Amino acid sequence: QVQLQESGPGLVKPSQTLSLTCTVSGGSISSGSYFWTWIRQPAGKGLEWIGRIYTSGTTNYNPSLKSRVTISIDTSKNHFSLNLSSVTAADTAVYYCAREEQQDSVALDYWGQGALVTVSS
Amino acid sequence: DIQMTQSPSSLSASVGDRVTISCRASQSIITFLNWYQQKPGKAPVLLIYGASSLQSGVPSRFSGSGSGTDFTLTISSLRREDFATYYCQQSFSSPRTFGLGTTVEVK
Repeated sequence: QVQLQESGPGLVKPSQTLSLTCTVSGGSISSGSYFWTWIRQPAGKGLEWIGRIYTSGTTNYNPSLKSRVTISIDTSKNHFSLNLSSVTAADTAVYYCAREEQQDSVALDYWGQGALVTVSS
Repeated sequence: DIQMTQSPSSLSASVGDRVTISCRASQSIITFLNWYQQKPGKAPVLLIYGASSLQSGVPSRFSGSGSGTDFTLTISSLRREDFATYYCQQSFSSPRTFGLGTTVEVK
């Protein structure tokens, strides 16, 4: 059973960089056809797709965040990471990592439990 | 970006009711449409993929239909554990986009 777990600071100061890591267990991050994805959800609001990375390193980003987002992958550690620079209070949200399956469903079939990140001085 | 419009934004229903939620895409997404259920404080859970395929382990009272731009999620007989928020999402193109959600509340 694949499991994903987000980790990182829960509090980030304005203008700094938000950094989160998603560790995958129960399977190799480099096996199969999957995009590894970040999604966020401000309190009481809907889901926003941030971006994704394939094991080859290919990335796709939401144009609304593209100038500030970097997603990377470390297959040796079986994890992938999110960096979001120049954060403001508007970036306060629960951040989820998830797996997008490519061969059958083309859907987000496994999710982490979510990590609350607050941007505040 | 493809815009996803869900309706209604919320609805009140009783246990045993048949519930229908609609999702419309701003352009054709063929059948690259997924539905998720989210309960408070929890991560979303995949219910339906490819517009009409039931994810493994999901009860058969959930069903999906549609193609092109118009899609529907149906819960045939609402159970207590189905009170939640439901999101549609297109996986036709990047960036992936979600609807704003439909909250199913107790009448």
